[in-house]
Amino acid sequence: DIQMTQSPSSLSASVGDRVTLTCRASQSINNFVNWYQQKPGKAPHVLIYGASTLQSGVPLRFSGSGSGTDFTLTISNLQPEDFATYFCQQSYMTPRTFGQGTKVEVK
Amino acid sequence: EEQLVESGGGLIQPGGSLRLSCAASGFDVTNTYMGWVRQAPGKGLEWVSVIYGGGRTYYADSVTGRSTISRDSSKNTLDLQMNDLRPEDAAVYYCVRRIIVADTYHFDHWGQGTLVIVSS
Repeated sequence: DIQMTQSPSSLSASVGDRVTLTCRASQSINNFVNWYQQKPGKAPHVLIYGASTLQSGVPLRFSGSGSGTDFTLTISNLQPEDFATYFCQQSYMTPRTFGQGTKVEVK
Repeated sequence: EEQLVESGGGLIQPGGSLRLSCAASGFDVTNTYMGWVRQAPGKGLEWVSVIYGGGRTYYADSVTGRSTISRDSSKNTLDLQMNDLRPEDAAVYYCVRRIIVADTYHFDHWGQGTLVIVSS
C-alpha cells in the first residue's frame, strides 16, 4: 500500500497568515493527490484534486502543487472558516490511502 | 441535488454483525464507483471498501474476509455488510462517490456518516 505522510500534524496560525501543509507519498504517484477539509462533526469535502485543480466553489486562497512524491496545500490569507483538519489522499492505486491529517488551529 | 444518506449504525457487541446502508439520490448508484471510508473517534480517515461501476470490489486488509460491499439498484443504495465486528471497527462510516475528472479521481460526495460502536 502507498503510505501518505502529512506534516506537520498540527499548526497554529492567525487570520491573515499564509500556511503551507505538506504531504509525502511513499512512492511516485504522479499528480494523483486530493486534498480534503474536515470540520468537527462534519464529513470531509474535497478542496483540490489532481494535485492542483481547485474544486468548484472553493475559494481561490486555496492552492495545491506538487508531483511525484511531494505535495503541498497552501492557504493564503487564512480566514476564520479555514480552521479545520486537512487530509491528503492518493488516488493512484487501490487502496486509496489518506494521510493522517494536519489540524490548523487558532494561534 | 445529489445526496448520500447513511443508516444502520449503532451499538453492537464484539463478534456481532451489522449492515450499513447508503441511500443515494440525484444519481444512479449502478455503474458508479462507490465506497466506504471510516473514521475512528479522534483519528484520521481510513479507506474501507469500494465497488466499481462494473461490479469489481476491493477491501482494506483490516476488513477483508469480514465485509461485503454491494449495490441494490432497485433501492438505489450502497450497502456494507460487516461480520465478526471488533472494537477497532468502531468508527463513523462515510459513504462516498468517486468521480473522474481529467483522468484524475476524487470523492466528490460524502454522506453525513453513521456511527458504529463495538462494545459489550
